[in-house]
Amino acid sequence: DADVTQTPRNRITKTGKRIMLECSQTKGHDRMYWYRQDPGLGLRLIYYSFDVKDINKGEISDGYSVSRQAQAKFSLSLESAIPNQTALYFCATSDSLNLNTGELFFGEGSRLTVL
Amino acid sequence: AQSVTQPDIHITVSEGASLELRCNYSYGATPYLFWYVQSPGQGLQLLLKYFSGDTLVQGIKGFEAEFKRSQSSFNLRKPSVHWSDAAEYFCAVGGRYSSASKIIFGSGTRLSIRP
Repeated sequence: DADVTQTPRNRITKTGKRIMLECSQTKGHDRMYWYRQDPGLGLRLIYYSFDVKDINKGEISDGYSVSRQAQAKFSLSLESAIPNQTALYFCATSDSLNLNTGELFFGEGSRLTVL
Repeated sequence: AQSVTQPDIHITVSEGASLELRCNYSYGATPYLFWYVQSPGQGLQLLLKYFSGDTLVQGIKGFEAEFKRSQSSFNLRKPSVHWSDAAEYFCAVGGRYSSASKIIFGSGTRLSIRP
């Protein structure tokens, strides 16, 4: 099984609908992240969490919210989806005990299409 | 401002040929540099990283990268590519002791392999 699991892997929805993307990890890492990938733009950070009680906005947080339900779970919500939120979303984790490495561990991605 | 530039959007090379993917960065302090690979339908996986020391770093899958401070570059190389190397490659930069939330990704280079 994957260390970082995202559900759903693919989702098609309509404008105005509420969508939740879920992420769970078995790596025991304390830090979790949500990224968005668009063609030609690389990865952009939406939100990140250093522990259950610590949530921070990233570069492009408008239109998104997150919840860290447990150390292993970090969900991303689109309260009212719009077409320009069509993208590939990645969850990632890192370990603060290995801060020097800066290495991120990624899930396989959730492809969201908003019609 | 911190930034990462990958000037090549798409590169095609023949199987068995050598490969060089370019990455230039702008960073105000000593950078930590990374190359990640994203295979089709997969999340990103760390190929290699540079923190300090030897400027030529070896990674997984036979890849290497060279840090050239004078040129602000961290180009990725492989002497002989295999069809399985077809993927998207991302260069990223962060700072010493900074969180993974401060890592900036380039826009990616898509590598195609010609049989």
